Amino acid sequence: QVQLKESGPGLVKPSLTLSLTCTVSGFSLSSYGVIWVRQPPGKGLEWMGVIWGNGNTNYNSALKSRLSISRDTSKSQVFLKMNNLQTEDTAMYFCARTGYSDYWGQGVMVTVSS
Amino acid sequence: DVVMTQTPVSLPVSLGGQASISCRSSQSLVHSNGNTYLHWYLQKPGQSPQLLIYRVSNRFSGVPDRFSGSGSGTDFTLKISRVEPEDLGDYYCLQSTHFPWTFGGGTKLELK
Repeated sequence: QVQLKESGPGLVKPSLTLSLTCTVSGFSLSSYGVIWVRQPPGKGLEWMGVIWGNGNTNYNSALKSRLSISRDTSKSQVFLKMNNLQTEDTAMYFCARTGYSDYWGQGVMVTVSS
Repeated sequence: DVVMTQTPVSLPVSLGGQASISCRSSQSLVHSNGNTYLHWYLQKPGQSPQLLIYRVSNRFSGVPDRFSGSGSGTDFTLKISRVEPEDLGDYYCLQSTHFPWTFGGGTKLELK
């Protein structure tokens, strides 16, 4: 069955770079894209970006200068890197499959604090 | 960016009752291919969002027919009839017609 699982550090110091991995199973990254969405504590959802099945990417314009999404299809993994982290980047980070974001990972909580 | 305005922010309902959530976009969500990419999600407390409705009015697999979506252009509605306890949570609309994709601010469906 289709599954996605996010992994990464729970705590990142300000100004440093966040690296997250979304490991997928049950589908091919060459056939489906993966999006990243984040949710600050007690707040709504924010779309961050997408990497498509052909490897092309699109980003949230507010994050574009700091954000990079890539993948390793052989390992069924999608990577998110965001630099110059600030306290307002503290959030739950989710990955989800495109095709109307029909399947989501459980999310990983990232806290930005010194 | 397309702004998605979702109302109400909070919606108290009685079990067995009906709920209606509105989502309005700052520009038309009709894609150049003729499709309208407006979707609805429910996020229960402590869980990931789950897809309910895709492309305005199509129920995702396993979603009860108590959920229905409608609308066109810039004005969309999610209706829930015969509300059950498992329907409580936060509802979000998402437009994926224009980049960047954008979510509505959310509607909390709670017991009256």
